[in-house]
Amino acid sequence: GNSVTQMEGPVTLSEEAFLTINCTYTATGYPSLFWYVQYPGEGLQLLLKATKADDKGSNKGFEATYRKETTSFHLEKGSVQVSDSAVYFCALTDRRDSNYQLIWGAGTKLIIKP
Amino acid sequence: NAGVTQTPKFRILKIGQSMTLQCTQDMNHNYMYWYRQDPGMGLKLIYYSVGAGITDKGEVPNGYNVSRSTTEDFPLRLELAAPSQTSVYFCASSLRSLNYGYTFGSGTRLTVV
Repeated sequence: GNSVTQMEGPVTLSEEAFLTINCTYTATGYPSLFWYVQYPGEGLQLLLKATKADDKGSNKGFEATYRKETTSFHLEKGSVQVSDSAVYFCALTDRRDSNYQLIWGAGTKLIIKP
Repeated sequence: NAGVTQTPKFRILKIGQSMTLQCTQDMNHNYMYWYRQDPGMGLKLIYYSVGAGITDKGEVPNGYNVSRSTTEDFPLRLELAAPSQTSVYFCASSLRSLNYGYTFGSGTRLTVV
């Protein structure tokens, strides 16, 4: 079945550091891939997405490239800020899978220290 | 453009009480979902609906019920509240094409004492 695996957190970085949060997936068909962000005390917001291989999603300085050869969708940011502290969720939906849902990773907590 | 609206934002229940968490979306989305998120944990799907009159169980449906009489509304009913149902509850909706992802509500923080 389809699944998403994220690196365990928390990930703790200093301000202006380079960020990578790893996400790999298993899918039987042709997934679309998503990153969601959850700031403290809030709901989840769509951060970026990619719908086909080699697509790059980007938003707010974050980027992720859909790598079909490595089944990965790693989230990156060149210089993080304290305001990026949040929980990040990787997710997929498979267009050939009729389960009507996104498949979620467990989430990775990011802590940015000044 | 309200998106997904959840009420109430906070609630404290006593063991054995019942309540309904409200969820309304104004985007004409076909699919709606209820998730719970326990402290420090990921999302667990409780129930979902692919259209008015159609609902189905998710991963953790026990102790909950739902209905979908209109496209806009998807209330979640807790019967006989238990401490294990202390959690944050999120409602979400999506178009029939999941390629646009979900839109989430801001959540309901429920404590059962």
